Amino acid sequence: GAVVSQHPSRVICKSGTSVKIECRSLDFQATTMFWYRQFPKQSLMLMATSNEGSKATYEQGVEKDKFLINHASLTLSTLTVTSAHPEDSSFYICSARAVNEKLFFGSGTQLSVL
Amino acid sequence: TQLLEQSPQFLSIQEGENLTVYCNSSSVFSSLQWYRQEPGEGPVLLVTVVTGGEVKKLKRLTFQFGDARKDSSLHITAAQPGDTGLYLCAGESFQKLVFGTGTRLLVSP
Repeated sequence: GAVVSQHPSRVICKSGTSVKIECRSLDFQATTMFWYRQFPKQSLMLMATSNEGSKATYEQGVEKDKFLINHASLTLSTLTVTSAHPEDSSFYICSARAVNEKLFFGSGTQLSVL
Repeated sequence: TQLLEQSPQFLSIQEGENLTVYCNSSSVFSSLQWYRQEPGEGPVLLVTVVTGGEVKKLKRLTFQFGDARKDSSLHITAAQPGDTGLYLCAGESFQKLVFGTGTRLLVSP
């Protein structure tokens, strides 16, 4: 079946540094990718929708300058958390929509900001 | 903002018991999906329901989509410890998937 690879699975960084998370569709082309954030014991909150070759669409309340999204190709989208702070610590999950409209999820990235 | 409220938020039961999880919204969705998520992993799709009133069965799991396509339920028969996890409903609207508030299920042996 279709696989979405998310890397890294876990990252610990110091406050003020930037962290890049990659989301790759391994065996299909993803017309659209989505980025979610999940705090402990909570549900997934959609952060932004990423379309290849165009600017990402951010959900209300999500700072686009804080969470930079680049969807450079049909198989790769990246989320960069800039100047990370402890409150950005969370589980970040991407998903990719294939041409047949099916949606596949990555395995998530646990970000811990010290 | 579209909200999907799940109830209960947390459920702790004994092996063999039955349970139902509800997913309610004031919005209409073109489809509704149910996922199960383990700690530290991405959600795994269980089922997609599309038609109002649709009922789908997956072994001991029964999923129903409301007639108005605003709500859904998940019924588990004879729960097993392996059913433990976070259950999430998610509604598809305007090409986006919005997740419910989640139901954490714990099934004890």
